Amino acid sequence: ETGVTQTPRHLVMGMTNKKSLKCEQHLGHNAMYWYKQSAKKPLELMFVYNFKEQTENNSVPSRFSPECPNSSHLFLHLHTLQPEDSALYLCASSQGSSSGNTIYFGEGSWLTVV
Amino acid sequence: DQQVKQNSPSLSVQEGRISILNCDYTNSMFDYFLWYKKYPAEGPTFLISISSIKDKNEDGRFTVFLNKSAKHLSLHIVPSQPGDSAVYFCAASRYNFNKFYFGSGTKLNVKP
Repeated sequence: ETGVTQTPRHLVMGMTNKKSLKCEQHLGHNAMYWYKQSAKKPLELMFVYNFKEQTENNSVPSRFSPECPNSSHLFLHLHTLQPEDSALYLCASSQGSSSGNTIYFGEGSWLTVV
Repeated sequence: DQQVKQNSPSLSVQEGRISILNCDYTNSMFDYFLWYKKYPAEGPTFLISISSIKDKNEDGRFTVFLNKSAKHLSLHIVPSQPGDSAVYFCAASRYNFNKFYFGSGTKLNVKP
């Protein structure tokens, strides 16, 4: 069993659709993250939640809407996306604010916007 | 402005030899550094980390070296195996910050 589980693994959506990505962590961590990885680009931090509170929004367009109902679950709601939003979306978790903090990733959700 | 840089997009090494992956950072406040391995269509997997109070950390075939004065870290894999072929990311973070800065990755190819 992986520590961070993401669903769906693959998603194809039209530009007018509304869909959601789901993430669940089984590590007892307090912080959760959304990262985006586009082809040939570094991992881009999108959002950070610490104890369910959003502590970082890296200038992400409002068509991406995160939700963190508790420390174990994180969602990314998608609405009216653009083709350039097609990417691998990675969820991650970590223990929280401390030195020696290691971040663990899920398998990722491949998103294709058509 | 990218605070963590991996200047070599790719590296090719013969099986059994040493692989050396390099990473540079600009922020002297970083105090914890990590290496991740990523296969296609999968999420990054944590490999090894090092705190700024150390200059070396070893775990089996993997050793990370940290040179704080040069703001440079490296990952040594020895001996390299074909299964090590993947993209390797370095990352850095600061104490009390839930934020990790990643390099752009180096694609390692270990030839049989």
